[in-house]
Amino acid sequence: DSGVTQTPKHLITATGQRVTLRCSPRSGDLSVYWYQQSLDQGLQFLIQYYNGEERAKGNILERFSAQQFPDLHSELNLSSLELGDSALYFCASSVEGEGGEAFFGQGTRLTVV
Amino acid sequence: GESVGLHLPTLSVQEGDNSIINCAYSNSASDYFIWYKQESGKGPQFIIDIRSNMDKRQGQRVTVLLNKTVKHLSLQIAATQPGDSAVYFCAEKDNKLIFGAGTRLAVHP
Repeated sequence: DSGVTQTPKHLITATGQRVTLRCSPRSGDLSVYWYQQSLDQGLQFLIQYYNGEERAKGNILERFSAQQFPDLHSELNLSSLELGDSALYFCASSVEGEGGEAFFGQGTRLTVV
Repeated sequence: GESVGLHLPTLSVQEGDNSIINCAYSNSASDYFIWYKQESGKGPQFIIDIRSNMDKRQGQRVTVLLNKTVKHLSLQIAATQPGDSAVYFCAEKDNKLIFGAGTRLAVHP
């Protein structure tokens, strides 16, 4: 168990809908990362938050947004969903500073039908 | 379990042999270079990292080599076991954590 909790584990929704994925980082970790993993791709970096502030942005679509709350949990909002958004969405957390270690949750599998 | 990255390159090794997984990186400014292991149906798991000012670091049964001249990173796994079967990703950290393409390691008895 990495200590990072993602909910829900599975989500099936229709095109055009909006969903929210939730991530609770490890206790004490201030950094939260979001990644998208499709079957034919690796882990695509979406966005990073540090202590409530956006720190870095990757290949995140305008239809997607995220935030980190004062209690450090984070939410990834996906709207106007398309079939191609079907993927595994991972959240990771880390202690900022030395080292490259990040702890990943089990992911949310999103299926858009 | 489900397959992740159906089109990933695959390295097949015999149980007990040593495995070498390679990766090319792009950002010379990265502070750390990291290897992660992802088993089917699970999130990536940290294996080992190396700071940019080092060229070799050893862990338990694993060694990471960094060649900054050619921007190359490798992971060596000694005495590969069936439990090592997974997809391996290299990553680089320069504030954000960016993953490279994965390699599937298949260990045969």
